[in-house]
Amino acid sequence: AQSVAQPEDQVNVAEGNPLTVKCTYSVSGNPYLFWYVQYPNRGLQFLLKYITGDNLVKGSYGFEAEFNKSQTSFHLKKPSALVSDSALYFCAVRDIRGNQFYFGTGTSLTVIP
Amino acid sequence: GAVVSQHPSWVICKSGTSVKIECRSLDFQATTMFWYRQFPKQSLMLMATSNEGSKATYEQGVEKDKFLINHASLTLSTLTVTSAHPEDSSFYICSARRTAGEQYFGPGTRLTVT
Repeated sequence: AQSVAQPEDQVNVAEGNPLTVKCTYSVSGNPYLFWYVQYPNRGLQFLLKYITGDNLVKGSYGFEAEFNKSQTSFHLKKPSALVSDSALYFCAVRDIRGNQFYFGTGTSLTVIP
Repeated sequence: GAVVSQHPSWVICKSGTSVKIECRSLDFQATTMFWYRQFPKQSLMLMATSNEGSKATYEQGVEKDKFLINHASLTLSTLTVTSAHPEDSSFYICSARRTAGEQYFGPGTRLTVT
């Protein structure tokens, strides 16, 4: 079975500081991992994905994520947080056969001015 | 880029009535569309998967007679919530997938049943 876990419901960080949003996964086979961001009353916006290759994946809006196979983690990072980064972030794994997504419970990020 | 739209973006209906939500892939043909439901401050839960021209596959616990899904064309899928009740109030999000390609998510529809 495929699943992801986001251990933190809420992350607060000061503007300009680096941010990390954690995600761990459990998959059978090779993982297809994704990060999405959701603003209030809006759908999901794609940030980045890991399929294969370089463990450090760079995505939209300056975000990046590091795939760590030994720790089964795929943490989202950004070197310098902006107030506009405040949103709900979802980690997801995609089932290769069914192409359906399994989402984590989400992490609410608040960047404090 | 691939764009998926949903209509309406927000709907309020009275208890006992039915409401239809449309999901369209605007610039690509979607062989498969997915419907998700999201409760406040919770994750997205897959409700059903629909392939064009065939019956939808519902996830366990989702009432197929209550949540009717039609995928009549390669660019349109509809979700009809029949005999809606206040507990059906939620945020409904669709996604569309090209043949052996990426999925793209719609902006969501907020349903409020009074």
